[in-house]
Amino acid sequence: GDSVTQMEGPVTLSEEAFLTINCTYTATGYPSLFWYVQYPGEGLQLLLKATKADDKGSNKGFEATYRKETTSFHLEKGSVQVSDSAVYFCALSDLGNTGFQKLVFGTGTRLLVSP
Amino acid sequence: DVKVTQSSRYLVKRTGEKVFLECVQDMDHENMFWYRQDPGLGLRLIYFSYDVKMKEKGDIPEGYSVSREKKERFSLILESASTNQTSMYLCASRRDRDGTDTQYFGPGTRLTVL
Repeated sequence: GDSVTQMEGPVTLSEEAFLTINCTYTATGYPSLFWYVQYPGEGLQLLLKATKADDKGSNKGFEATYRKETTSFHLEKGSVQVSDSAVYFCALSDLGNTGFQKLVFGTGTRLLVSP
Repeated sequence: DVKVTQSSRYLVKRTGEKVFLECVQDMDHENMFWYRQDPGLGLRLIYFSYDVKMKEKGDIPEGYSVSREKKERFSLILESASTNQTSMYLCASRRDRDGTDTQYFGPGTRLTVL
């Protein structure tokens, strides 16, 4: 079945550093791709998404581009803040055999940003 | 704003107990989901529902059941709790069947089974 692979964490950065969190996927079709973020003590919330190849999703200074040729959807931010400390999940939508699109999540990458 | 609430943030139960986890959403969403979140495993889908009284198994349904009697409420039931069901449980809802739509998550229930 479809799957998502994320880089293991934690990723530890100083404030204002450049961030990259790698995400690659395996899918039989052309899924939509997502990044969700989980702040401490909270549920997940959508950070950004891309629904077709070469689309770029962006939000709150974060960006990710849907690269079909490399089956990747890497998350980037030019200058991280302490408040970005969270767990980041890459996900894809999987049609499966029920005709219902479900999300398949990666294992999550914890980001720790120090002042 | 969509709000998804879960009945408890923390729950401690004993092996063999019947456990109910409740989830309510306030945006008239058709679709609701239950996941469990474990370190190193990410989120795994237990069950989902696309309409009242309708349910479908996810990837790890064993040991769980669900109930959806009203559109806004989706309950996860552990018929006989076991220690390997100690986990964080997350509920989510989504308006459309289309996978491009946003899923909204509750804050989670951390269940410990002793």
